Amino acid sequence: QKEVEQNSGPLSVPEGAIASLNCTYSDRVSQSFFWYRQYSGKSPELIMSIYSNGDKEDGRFTAQLNKASQYVSLLIRDSQPSDSATYLCAVGDSGYSTLTFGKGTMLLVSP
Amino acid sequence: SAVISQKPSRDICQRGTSLTIQCQVDSQVTMMFWYRQQPGQSLTLIATANQGSEATYESGFVIDKFPISRPNLTFSTLTVSNMSPEDSSIYLCSVDTGGGTDTQYFGPGTRLTVL
Repeated sequence: QKEVEQNSGPLSVPEGAIASLNCTYSDRVSQSFFWYRQYSGKSPELIMSIYSNGDKEDGRFTAQLNKASQYVSLLIRDSQPSDSATYLCAVGDSGYSTLTFGKGTMLLVSP
Repeated sequence: SAVISQKPSRDICQRGTSLTIQCQVDSQVTMMFWYRQQPGQSLTLIATANQGSEATYESGFVIDKFPISRPNLTFSTLTVSNMSPEDSSIYLCSVDTGGGTDTQYFGPGTRLTVL
């Protein structure tokens, strides 16, 4: 059974700090990795996708992937109170397949 | 990305009844998915719905309880049958926009309460 593990948190950081969210996965053949943000009472919103080892940057967000360690992370620079949400890590095989979601990490950014 | 709508957005239903949830996409997509998210929990995949074929259900979910239709490339329905309070949850549809990237976009969800 494929598993995706995340620390449930909450992870509390002050405004302007870097928030680091981590995720490990069990299936070595996984090829696609995603971070979704979910505000309370809302549906998940795609933030980042990453497919290759290394870093991928998009604005204040950086996704990092290490397939050898089966580890993916999300860094949020200059954290804002509006970043307070639950962040879901999702993992899939390549090409037209289902995703396995972690339970999510709650991030709280204090002003 | 894709613009996805769901109806109803929320409903309160009586035990033993059924509810059909609709999911509409603004573009043609091959794969649509139905998830359940119980309070404080992550997403659990119910089934994958491909146009022109039977839905593929995940372990623990059966067609008699969660029948799915996929009549065309922009629309799908999920029915929650013979409901019990344990079915109270948020039901979400998502779509894979193709290209082999596994990327899924979610609809706004349907909040179901069963009394």
